[in-house]
Amino acid sequence: EVQLVESGGVVVQPGGSLRLSCAASGFTFDDYTMHWVRQAPGKGLEWVSLISWDGGSTYYADSVKGRFTISRDNSKNSLYLQMNSLRTEDTALYYCAKGASLLLWGQGTLVTVSS
Amino acid sequence: DIQMTQSPSSLSASVGDRVTITCRASQGISNYLAWFQQKPGKAPKSLIYAASSLQSGVPSKFSGSGSGTDFTLTISSLQPEDFATYYCQQYNSYPITFGGGTKVEIK
Repeated sequence: EVQLVESGGVVVQPGGSLRLSCAASGFTFDDYTMHWVRQAPGKGLEWVSLISWDGGSTYYADSVKGRFTISRDNSKNSLYLQMNSLRTEDTALYYCAKGASLLLWGQGTLVTVSS
Repeated sequence: DIQMTQSPSSLSASVGDRVTITCRASQGISNYLAWFQQKPGKAPKSLIYAASSLQSGVPSKFSGSGSGTDFTLTISSLQPEDFATYYCQQYNSYPITFGGGTKVEIK
């Protein structure tokens, strides 16, 4: 089955750090660009970051640039998001998604930034 | 950054109605436009990519059109399972941006 499964979301204090993971299965992971997209409670979708198939190119939303780092390990079929200097406004459900046009999404992992 | 403006932000429709949602980009994006459906408590689902190409497994009642700055998503005959929020998204340039969403509710 083709699927993406996110993990790592927890409650963290402002200023803290967190690493999210996304495990891919059922497709050739290193054929695809991968993304992180987030959705704050009751709000719309916000693109966060993208990484090319080989990890050679990365892009970030201005809201997370300098604080978040996207990476991948193609040998483990896994995508990661290292989140530092977390703010309350980073509270959201974080999704990983596959492909340039985000054709497949995981179910999301919830990150809550609160004191 | 490219701004994506969806209209309407919400609409009420009846089963069987034809529904059209529009999405306007603040600058030309060729056909690098996707549409997603999201139901409450669920992840978004890809419906259309490249403005008018239907994703595998998506019923043909969904269709997309447009190029450049103006795009539409049409549901030909609304069914109970289609009540959801719909988002457009441009992937022509970074940062990737989404429209604000259109909530389709039962009349």
